[in-house]
Amino acid sequence: GAGVSQSPSNKVTEKGKDVELRCDPISGHTALYWYRQSLGQGLEFLIYFQGNSAPDKSGLPSDRFSAERTGGSVSTLTIQRTQQEDSAVYLCASSSDRGRYEQYFGPGTRLTVT
Amino acid sequence: KQEVTQIPAALSVPEGENLVLNCSFTDSAIYNLQWFRQDPGKGLTSLLLIQSSQREQTSGRLNASLDKSSGRSTLYIAASQPGDSATYLCAVRQGYGSGNTGKLIFGQGTTLQVKP
Repeated sequence: GAGVSQSPSNKVTEKGKDVELRCDPISGHTALYWYRQSLGQGLEFLIYFQGNSAPDKSGLPSDRFSAERTGGSVSTLTIQRTQQEDSAVYLCASSSDRGRYEQYFGPGTRLTVT
Repeated sequence: KQEVTQIPAALSVPEGENLVLNCSFTDSAIYNLQWFRQDPGKGLTSLLLIQSSQREQTSGRLNASLDKSSGRSTLYIAASQPGDSATYLCAVRQGYGSGNTGKLIFGQGTTLQVKP
């Protein structure tokens, strides 16, 4: 596609529910990243997929967070048993896996946990 | 542990002024540095990327410089316009062998307002 797309753009959920956020990277980009942006924490890294390598999950804040990438393209970030502190904007980015590694970001999903 | 700091946190200037945004980082073993722009409620737009071996990059009215040894980068905006009003973020990608490769580490951003 022309750019990174994310869905939904906004999600309101009740505390304790599970949510799934989707990211479609730029066609041909083999690297995919998830970040979270919240007022108190700024932009923080969550997880990084690089080709067929094991993902770097070092930024996931708890075991309620997980992500997968199917077929080397679309990625889904799942948050189980959501808490109010999970409210944030979740941003996805993609890049090529060589050279500049310039990261291109999607518009984000704003998650509100009530 | 890499830390990225941006000063000032906010800046207000009259239209037409040239301005400089500052970014500093604590670990000089970086692979590259990216400057982004973020408009309210939007995602990040990549403005410039400087590889660790480069000193500067230019795009239109924007010029970014990198002094890796001192851990500093600046974003220079010439002849500022009201449309430049946004939050500007810098982020570094660590180099190979320094761990934590892949992810970007972000500063807190500088919010710029250009008044007509």
